[in-house]
This record gives sequence, structure tokens and C-alpha cells, in this order.
Amino acid sequence: DAMVIQNPRYQVTQFGKPVTLSCSQTLNHNVMYWYQQKSSQAPKLLFHYYDKDFNNEADTPDNFQSRRPNTSFCFLDIRSPGLGDAAMYLCATSREGGWYEQYFGPGTRLTVT
Amino acid sequence: AQSVTQLDSHVSVSEGTPVLLRCNYSSSYSPSLFWYVQHPNKGLQLLLKYTSAATLVKGINGFEAEFKKSETSFHLTKPSAHMSDAAEYFCVVSDSGGYNKLIFGAGTRLAVHP
Repeated sequence: DAMVIQNPRYQVTQFGKPVTLSCSQTLNHNVMYWYQQKSSQAPKLLFHYYDKDFNNEADTPDNFQSRRPNTSFCFLDIRSPGLGDAAMYLCATSREGGWYEQYFGPGTRLTVT
Repeated sequence: AQSVTQLDSHVSVSEGTPVLLRCNYSSSYSPSLFWYVQHPNKGLQLLLKYTSAATLVKGINGFEAEFKKSETSFHLTKPSAHMSDAAEYFCVVSDSGGYNKLIFGAGTRLAVHP
């Protein structure tokens, strides 16, 4: 089945130690998104790629970076994780256009110690 | 600007009774509206979507929603709750533009009791 895959599902990192989360898709969608979701909150969009064009949300901290080497893969890099960055990180994909739904991966639960 | 208000943060029902999760939206144009469900420690799954076709939208797992423009509402219903329906539900409106930025409601936690 076509899907969005995230690895790892659970990630533990130390305060200040860089960490990379990965996302891959078999849907061949040209738009990919990264969300941060904290407990009992709605997902918060960090950034998205429209093909190779990177679009950062205005309030996304500089600590968060992303790479999209090809259509299928997208990475979230957290350069110096703080305790406040502990959250669920969700990757999603869609076709372009506001009428298309987003397809979400299962998420990566990040713990910062 | 678009916005979404989910009128109940928590809803509790008994198994086999109807479910109603309420959602109001604000949009300056004809919106695309979605309901997503999230089970604990899982990603979001699309239940149904409205994109200016039929106003009564049927989704997966017996859920449906009715788009009412005059009331700016998009309430989610199910005739008979099942224990497996216990989850967080998000009402979402899609922003305009070449990519579909989603505007999320705060979510409604549905509890289903035996």
C-alpha cells in the first residue's frame, strides 16, 4: 500500500545533541510537511516543501532545519534540542491544491533527556 | 483569514449511542473542510472531506458530516458509537494557495464507555 513512513518511531536524545528524523513516501506527492505536536494540542506546522522549494513558517525556531534530497524522502534536523522540543513529530504529504487532503505518517515521538 | 472552532474539548458517550462532534469554521471563500482522527501515539487519519460537492459527506467507519454554509458548521456524527471510536478528533479547514496549509481546530477528545 502507498503510504508515509517515519523512522524511528521513538527517539531519545540528550539535551543539545543533534538529532535527525526521517520521512519517506510512496505516494509520489510533490508537497511534504513537518508538524510538531505537543501533548493534548493540535499539530503545528513547522515547514513544508513544494517540490524542492522550502517554505518555513514564520514562528519556526532556527533550531529546526529540513532537507528534501528527492521526491520520496524528507528529513527534519534539530540542531540543539532543548527540553521544550520533546514532542511528536508528524510528516505529511499531499498533492498541490487546497482541496486535497494530507496523508500523515505515524509520527516520531522525541524525548529529550 | 480562516479559523476553526471545535465547540467541545471532551465528549463522552456510551457504546451504541449517537456521536456528535461540533465544528464551526470561518472562511472568506468556499472552503475545503476535513475531519481527521488520531488514536493515541498514532498519526492522523482522514475520516472525510468536503470540497464543494455534496453537502452531506460520508466517511470511513460510519462517520458523516454535513456542511451548512448558513450556519458555518461542519459537525461530525455517527449513529452508534463503538469502543474503537475513542480518540482525538480534529476539524480542519484548508487555506488557499498552491499548497494546502491546514488550519486545525483544538481537537475534541471522544470517550466511549461500555
